[in-house]
Amino acid sequence: GAGVSQSPRYKVAKRGQDVALRCDPISGHVSLFWYQQALGQGPEFLTYFQNEAQLDKSGLPSDRFFAERPEGSVSTLKIQRTQQEDSAVYLCASSTRSDLRHQETQYFGPGTRLLVL
Amino acid sequence: AQSVSQHNHHVILSEAASLELGCNYSYGGTVNLFWYVQYPGQHLQLLLKYFSGDPLVKGIKGFEAEFIKSKFSFNLRKPSVQWSDTAEYFCAVNAGTGGFKTIFGAGTRLFVKA
Repeated sequence: GAGVSQSPRYKVAKRGQDVALRCDPISGHVSLFWYQQALGQGPEFLTYFQNEAQLDKSGLPSDRFFAERPEGSVSTLKIQRTQQEDSAVYLCASSTRSDLRHQETQYFGPGTRLLVL
Repeated sequence: AQSVSQHNHHVILSEAASLELGCNYSYGGTVNLFWYVQYPGQHLQLLLKYFSGDPLVKGIKGFEAEFIKSKFSFNLRKPSVQWSDTAEYFCAVNAGTGGFKTIFGAGTRLFVKA
């Protein structure tokens, strides 16, 4: 089947604008992760969902960042009042299992490249 | 807090040369360890992973990694690289006892000259 898809692939926002980034995980995948990848850096964990439950949001950098997965499939990462430091690639990943002791492979999407001017 | 350190940001090799990319992590408990690869224009994908058992792990495309617990290391190796191995390589770790958070290193860009 299809892999993880993300939209839009590129987003240019003016500072102060709100943006919404979408992730379509692989069908049936229980776990969904969001990461932020700044230029020249590795992905940094933002938040984790198990089905519709957001079990860890400790990586969200401020209260301007909000993520949801209301029906346990598609997820949206929303950034309010964007700032220049929010410019990065936002990656979504999904995996099959929710058992914490047996982390399954995370399948990554292509990312959304956000540029805040 | 967990952290991952990759020793080299850029590596340039000729085809058929041997590769070793260093990775050290800081975390005192049980860990799961990963190497991910991102080929030009493609998504991040898993190269290999270690959860338990044999510390020498074999992955796709002839790559292997060795977990040395006493050194907190998980170095990636390949005996003979090919031009098609040109990519960025990321080492990652998460807590093996229930952590959702996967911590990535900053990545190593490998360029293989034909």
